[in-house]
Amino acid sequence: KNQVEQSPQSLIILEGKNCTLQCNYTVSPFSNLRWYKQDTGRGPVSLTIMTFSENTKSNGRYTATLDADTKQSSLHITASQLSDSASYICVVSFSGNTPLVFGKGTRLSVIA
Amino acid sequence: AAGVIQSPRHLIKEKRETATLKCYPIPRHDTVYWYQQGPGQDPQFLISFYEKMQSDKGSIPDRFSAQQFSDYHSELNMSSLELGDSALYFCASSLAGIAYNEQFFGPGTRLTVL
Repeated sequence: KNQVEQSPQSLIILEGKNCTLQCNYTVSPFSNLRWYKQDTGRGPVSLTIMTFSENTKSNGRYTATLDADTKQSSLHITASQLSDSASYICVVSFSGNTPLVFGKGTRLSVIA
Repeated sequence: AAGVIQSPRHLIKEKRETATLKCYPIPRHDTVYWYQQGPGQDPQFLISFYEKMQSDKGSIPDRFSAQQFSDYHSELNMSSLELGDSALYFCASSLAGIAYNEQFFGPGTRLTVL
């Protein structure tokens, strides 16, 4: 069964600090990997999307990396802000119009 | 920019009642996906439509049905509601053939079954 596993489940960091979230997947064949930010009770918002040929992609203070050989991805958040408090979900797509496979997310809390 | 619109945003129903959730995709998007997210759970794929035809089917119960209309909006019909149907229901839309086939999510409909 294809799976997307994320770690840690939850994380608390001080405002201004950096953090890195991990994602391992076993999806095959693989089309692309996405990181979403989801505020409680809201729809997921896309942060980055990478295909198997891309190693890194940045979106402001968010930088995602992808190692297609080891099937690992990370999301690095720089200079965290209180508004970064949310769930960060790693999502993998097989190909084309197929449904997304969601990880269970990492719940990030940024405190002052 | 226009986003995915879902209505209603909140819905409260009794057990065994029916509910209809609506999704209006981003203009020109031809594919719609429905997801169910239970409390503390990751979204589970229910069903998708491409050009008004069902394109994929996930864990959608037989009590639920959905369709995509000529204007590309979609409706999720839920009958014989159960307590376990209480969840956030997300709709996402995408445009087939575009790089990454990125799915844009709506704000969700929170369904509470009493």
